[in-house]
Amino acid sequence: SAVISQKPSRDICQRGTSLTIQCQVDSQVTMMFWYRQQPGQSLTLIATANQGSEATYESGFVIDKFPISRPNLTFSTLTVSNMSPEDSSIYLCSAGNRGYPGEQYFGPGTRLTVT
Amino acid sequence: TQLLEQSPQFLSIQEGENLTVYCNSSSVFSSLQWYRQEPGEGPVLLVTVVTGGEVKKLKRLTFQFGDARKDSSLHITAAQTGDTGLYLCAGYKAAGNKLTFGGGTRVLVKP
Repeated sequence: SAVISQKPSRDICQRGTSLTIQCQVDSQVTMMFWYRQQPGQSLTLIATANQGSEATYESGFVIDKFPISRPNLTFSTLTVSNMSPEDSSIYLCSAGNRGYPGEQYFGPGTRLTVT
Repeated sequence: TQLLEQSPQFLSIQEGENLTVYCNSSSVFSSLQWYRQEPGEGPVLLVTVVTGGEVKKLKRLTFQFGDARKDSSLHITAAQTGDTGLYLCAGYKAAGNKLTFGGGTRVLVKP
């Protein structure tokens, strides 16, 4: 397993601004992911953070809106750019190792409110 | 369209009762995982099932993977208030190397 920490745990931001969320893993992992979740609902995958190369985005998510960095095997950032109230959500980072059985371990999440 | 359908979406029971949550798909998965999430926290991995027909027990929780590896169930015996949370199933396929999550089941166990 892996222990994941995220910063900040929550933030309230004004529309039009950007927020960068940090994710730190306590051990080297091959895979890191970013998800979005509305309270009480399921998870939607935003992108896979690839070390040393551009992230792989899911349908409906674009790099200009959600730029992601992954400079090494234990750290990644997600930026939510030019925020609007519709971006208010919980953002979760997860980590795991490539391949079967595909288990992922999650951070505590960042609760973002855009006013 | 959800590739993994969970049912029910919400379940409210009294402490001591039993409950079952279902996770169904038309797709075959290499493995399937169950997570529990409490408010303000990230999902926590409960179990991974990998073999068709497999049954795993974790104290009062019993997990089953369907023979065809398309569906799974989670059964809780004598539920406790600490079992309250959002239960998520997630299927893994080697192609794409990512998880597909079900819609989630909110469980409320009342004292």
